Amino acid sequence: GAVVSQHPSRVICKSGTSVKIECRSLDFQATTMFWYRQFPKQSLMLMATSNEGSKATYEQGVEKDKFLINHASLTLSTLTVTSAHPEDSSFYICSARDIHEQYFGPGTRLTVT
Amino acid sequence: GEDVEQSLFLSVREGDSSVINCTYTDSSSTYLYWYKQEPGAGLQLLTYIFSNMDMKQDQRLTVLLNKKDKHLSLRIADTQTGDSAIYFCADHNQGGKLIFGQGTELSVKP
Repeated sequence: GAVVSQHPSRVICKSGTSVKIECRSLDFQATTMFWYRQFPKQSLMLMATSNEGSKATYEQGVEKDKFLINHASLTLSTLTVTSAHPEDSSFYICSARDIHEQYFGPGTRLTVT
Repeated sequence: GEDVEQSLFLSVREGDSSVINCTYTDSSSTYLYWYKQEPGAGLQLLTYIFSNMDMKQDQRLTVLLNKKDKHLSLRIADTQTGDSAIYFCADHNQGGKLIFGQGTELSVKP
């Protein structure tokens, strides 16, 4: 299957700083990418849908000014967590759609101290 | 709204078959997916089925879809310890989003 990478895999940052997470589709072009958040022992919560060349569509309850999404090319989407707080600590996973299939990255563990 | 439900735990012995069940409510779903997640990792796409199909087989995996009852199952034949993981079913809705179940934790005992 197709490969989606995420960078970094783990990040620890201080409260109040911003963190950028990159999501890349390595062997296909993805006009649509998705960002999810997963809490321990829980399912994935869709945060936003990222479309190449246009603004992201955020799910209800997700602050667009806090979670900035940029999808500047067909293989790269970025999620920036601005002014991070300890409650933003979580596992963030991106996915990229290739026709009917959606492939997931390995996830980024964010810890805010 | 749309909902996807799974049982939370399943325990089997190595070599047995595992059957993970899923129900969904979306009557207009187009595809249904099965993903596997190992600890600390992302989701691995195992297989998917079009809503106009009843069954799909791929090596040790068999997916059965009962569209009338909105019931999806994943059968893993000859289950191995390496199959221990959390399995998510997901419904692809009309808006192009995946709606996930809570995940079923499969434990394979030697």
